[in-house]
Amino acid sequence: DAGVIQSPRHEVTEMGQEVTLRCKPISGHDYLFWYRQTMMRGLELLIYFNNNVPIDDSGMPEDRFSAKMPNASFSTLKIQPSEPRDSAVYFCASRGGSSGNTIYFGEGSWLTVV
Amino acid sequence: AQSVTQLDSQVPVFEEAPVELRCNYSSSVSVYLFWYVQYPNQGLQLLLKYLSGSTLVKGINGFEAEFNKSQTSFHLRKPSVHISDTAEYFCAVRESGAGSYQLTFGKGTKLSVIP
Repeated sequence: DAGVIQSPRHEVTEMGQEVTLRCKPISGHDYLFWYRQTMMRGLELLIYFNNNVPIDDSGMPEDRFSAKMPNASFSTLKIQPSEPRDSAVYFCASRGGSSGNTIYFGEGSWLTVV
Repeated sequence: AQSVTQLDSQVPVFEEAPVELRCNYSSSVSVYLFWYVQYPNQGLQLLLKYLSGSTLVKGINGFEAEFNKSQTSFHLRKPSVHISDTAEYFCAVRESGAGSYQLTFGKGTKLSVIP
């Protein structure tokens, strides 16, 4: 089984540019999570979806961040406009089906905003 | 709401020595507990989890953890570490009730195994 697939793995962009991070959850999983990891704040949940519907977006830092899940096999996290303080590793994760209570993580998207 | 405290941000240990990574949690309801490992430049991988039953949980790579409800702890142990265990380890907790899917992570403990 393929795991959670994220792209791009690494992105360097200039301040003010739009950044789109992509995620393909594990097939059959009905929950999808976006996390952000920084040295200062550790791992933070940004938003999660159930059956493609956003359930809790209270962790989204500000209106510059948005996430969508148009179908069960694809989600995006968009930052527009990006700022240097958005530099972090963004993880997508999913759970459901036979995985039970275990959340599986992708390998992360390393974002650097200069 | 729940919280997780990993008491040590860095733990250096010699190869083949035992190690314990400490984790304490706070929650007003019953919880599930997890340990994840993150190797350099990689994502998080589940090491082990406690959902119910035996309080001693065995995971991959020879790791085990013991759930102690009275001390609200879930410490991770390995009797003999290997160089390849060098990584960052995250303790996580979520409420066990239906509809609770948010994982709360600790700040992580960096384990450095010294040859």
